[in-house]
Amino acid sequence: GQNIDQPTEMTATEGAIVQINCTYQTSGFNGLFWYQQHAGEAPTFLSYNVLDGLEEKGRFSSFLSRSKGYSYLLLKELQMKDSASYLCVAMDSNYQLIWGAGTKLIIKP
Amino acid sequence: GAVVSQHPSRVICKSGTSVKIECRSLDFQATTMFWYRQFPKQSLMLMATSNEGSKATYEQGVEKDKFLINHASLTLSTLTVTSAHPEDSSFYICSASDIGQDNQPQHFGDGTRLSIL
Repeated sequence: GQNIDQPTEMTATEGAIVQINCTYQTSGFNGLFWYQQHAGEAPTFLSYNVLDGLEEKGRFSSFLSRSKGYSYLLLKELQMKDSASYLCVAMDSNYQLIWGAGTKLIIKP
Repeated sequence: GAVVSQHPSRVICKSGTSVKIECRSLDFQATTMFWYRQFPKQSLMLMATSNEGSKATYEQGVEKDKFLINHASLTLSTLTVTSAHPEDSSFYICSASDIGQDNQPQHFGDGTRLSIL
C-alpha cells in the first residue's frame, strides 16, 4: 500500500535548526511536497523535490533520496512563527497525492 | 502567484440545512480540483476529486449523495453538504493546480469552517 511516515510532534528552540524527516512508499513517484499549516488555516506550499538532492529556499531546505524513499525538511534560524504543522506529501505515478499526518512543530523561546 | 478563492470562510447553521461551498481559481484554469475535510489536530482527508465537465470521483467512505460536487467550469467547483448534521461540522478545504501541471503544487483555498448546530 501507499504510506507516508513522519513524526507526530517535535520541539525546538527559537534560533536553532530542526530537521523533520519523512519516509514514503508509493506506487511510482512523481515528486514530494512539503506544506506548512498553521492551526485553523489552509496549507501553504513550501517545497517540491523530484530529483535527488537538496533544494534550498531561504531558511527552509528540502532533501530527497528516491532510492531510500526518504525526504527531510530543514528549518534554520527558527522563529516563533514557524510553530505549525508540516505536511509531507508524495505524488504517485497517477499524480495522486498521498498525505502524511503532519508533524506538529513547537518552538520554545 | 496562483490564487484559489474559497467562499464562505465560515458557516453556522441549523441541522437539516444544505450548505454550498464555492472554490474558484482566480488566475488560472483547473480541470481538476480537490476537496478535503480536516478534523481538529488531524491531517487533510481527501473527500473527492472534482473533474470539470464530468462526475466527481469520491474516496471510499464518502457519501456522494451527501456531498454533492459540481465542476461546471475550468475555474469553479462547488461542494454542497446536503441536509447537514452536527457530525458534518468540520473544516473543508479545496485545492487546484494549473491545467497540464500535474506535478506542480496544489494551491489551496482558505478553507470553510462549517458548524452545524
